[in-house]
Amino acid sequence: GAGVSQSPRYKVTKRGQDVALRCDPISGHVSLYWYRQALGQGPEFLTYFNYEAQQDKSGLPNDRFSAERPEGSISTLTIQRTEQRDSAMYRCASSRGTGVETQYFGPGTRLLVL
Amino acid sequence: GEDVEQSLFLSVREGDSSVINCTYTDSSSTYLYWYKQEPGAGLQLLTYIFSNMDMKQDQRLTVLLNKKDKHLSLRIADTQTGDSAIYFCADLGHGSSNTGKLIFGQGTTLQVKP
Repeated sequence: GAGVSQSPRYKVTKRGQDVALRCDPISGHVSLYWYRQALGQGPEFLTYFNYEAQQDKSGLPNDRFSAERPEGSISTLTIQRTEQRDSAMYRCASSRGTGVETQYFGPGTRLLVL
Repeated sequence: GEDVEQSLFLSVREGDSSVINCTYTDSSSTYLYWYKQEPGAGLQLLTYIFSNMDMKQDQRLTVLLNKKDKHLSLRIADTQTGDSAIYFCADLGHGSSNTGKLIFGQGTTLQVKP
């Protein structure tokens, strides 16, 4: 596609529910990143995929957070048993290669946990 | 871990120059980036500088890097109202050059008054 797309753009959920956030990277981009951005803060790294392989998940805050990219394209970030502290903007980025290649960011999914 | 710090707010008059500052702690930084975030939009890469350079100019943008002091600045010449946004400094450390994990500052809000 023309850019990175994410869906939904906004998600309101009740505490304890599971949510799934989707990222559709730029076609042909091998690397995909998930970041979380709290209000008034910069993005914070969550996890990184090279094709379908999750090569770095050091930023996932706990085991309620998981991500997958089964066919090396679309990725899903899943948060189980959501808590109010999970409320944030979740941003996805993709890049043509690894490492120093430019990361192109999507518009983000704003998650609000009530 | 690595840290990136920015001043939170800068206000300038249209036509003036803006200088946004950033400090980082990672002594093995490879690339440093400036991203722009406008309301409702994703992060847009403005420019970047390799750690063995001390200056990079790109049209109205000038990036200065003082590696000894771990200080990075972004100068915007002839600032326009369309430059009003949040600007993020980001560091790609040596250890992350294979994965692309970026460490972001908390962002500087630039307000341009007509």
